Formats: sequence, structure tokens, C-alpha cells
Amino acid sequence: EVQLVESGGGLVQPGGSLRLSCAASGFSFSTYWMTWVRQAPGKGLEWVASIKEDGSEKRYVGSVKGRLTISRDNAKNSLYLQINSLRAEDTAVYYCARNRGSTLPEDWGQGTLVTVSS
Amino acid sequence: QSALTQPASVSGSPGQSITISCTGTSSDVGAYNFVAWYQQHPGKAPKLMISDVSNRPSGVSNRFSGSKSGNTASLTISGLQAEDEADYYCSSYTTSNLRVFGGGTKLTVL
Repeated sequence: EVQLVESGGGLVQPGGSLRLSCAASGFSFSTYWMTWVRQAPGKGLEWVASIKEDGSEKRYVGSVKGRLTISRDNAKNSLYLQINSLRAEDTAVYYCARNRGSTLPEDWGQGTLVTVSS
Repeated sequence: QSALTQPASVSGSPGQSITISCTGTSSDVGAYNFVAWYQQHPGKAPKLMISDVSNRPSGVSNRFSGSKSGNTASLTISGLQAEDEADYYCSSYTTSNLRVFGGGTKLTVL
């Protein structure tokens, strides 16, 4: 059974940084593209970033380029999202997802909430 | 990349059919047959219901079907059931090798 468990969310002050993690199990992690999707409170889904199986290719939504970095450690079956210079508009539930192909999120974790507030 | 356009809400009675539209551009919906639909119940993670315009993943009821014409994709749910009440999101691959979501549609089963 595919399991994706996000962690690392919490309350952060504007301008701060955070590193989100996603622990994967139940499948061969190193053979799948992975994705982060976020959802602001009461709002819709926003695709944030995807990373290739071996980490050699990364894709980002234009609005976050330069502030967010997606990475992975295949030895640890883990996906990461580094968020810098946090803003109020980064407040959201961040979901980790296993892709079908390069960009279709298929299996999702339960999400971790990031709140940016002073 | 702008979000795809969906109606904010739709409703139907049990047993009826409803259709949710998803309008994009020639750079996303119209460019490829890579439209997907997700169902999300309150407080839960999204669930993939349709991929590649009209393919249902294993385990998804055949009451759910998808189609596309030009820059507009559609999700049809037939034989509405109470458990279908949820938010639905469309999503498309884009010519920029990215993925974009629609704004979401709240389905109410009357």
C-alpha cells in the first residue's frame, strides 16, 4: 500500500524558512516522479513543484521560483520542500504526491499545515 | 500560468446526472489529452477520479466519466449519490511542462 506522510509544518514568522518532509513507503520511491501541491485555507489546489526520479530535473510554478526548492533522498525514501522568505500567502496545507508519469499527482499524503504569521 | 476555469458550484438530486466544465486555453486543456479530475471531501486529501481526459483509475465508479472538446473538458457524474458531495478539481498538463489546476467546483447533492 502506498503511504505518504508529510511533516515539518507549523507556525512560522514572515521572512522565516521551513523544510517540509514526506516519508514514502509501499512502493519503489526511486522510480517515480514526485510532486508538492498546496492548498490555502478555503481555497483551491495549486501545483507547486515536481522532481524527476533521480532528482536531475525539477519543475516549479512561476510564482514560487527562487523561494522554494524541491529535493529528494532516494536512499531515505524521502521528498523535501525548502521554503524561504515565507510570506502570508504561503499559508496552506502542503501535500506530497506520487506521480503517474512526470506531472500527474496520483497518490496523495494527508498534508501538513504551514501557517505564516507574526 | 492562470488557473483553469470551473463553475463555483453545481447541484443535483440523487439519481440525477450533473456535468462540471473546465475551461482552459490552447496551451493547456486544448494542447494535450492530459486532463485529470480530482474529488476532495472536507478535510481530506484529493483523490484522482479521471486521468487523460476519460480514463478511470481502478476502483473509481463507472458513474464518473470525462470528456473534452477543444479547450474545455467536462466531468459527468451519473446516478448522483449522497457520497458524491465534495469539491471537484480539474487539472491539465501545459505546454510549459507544468501542471495547472482549476479553481474547484463544490457539488451539492440536494
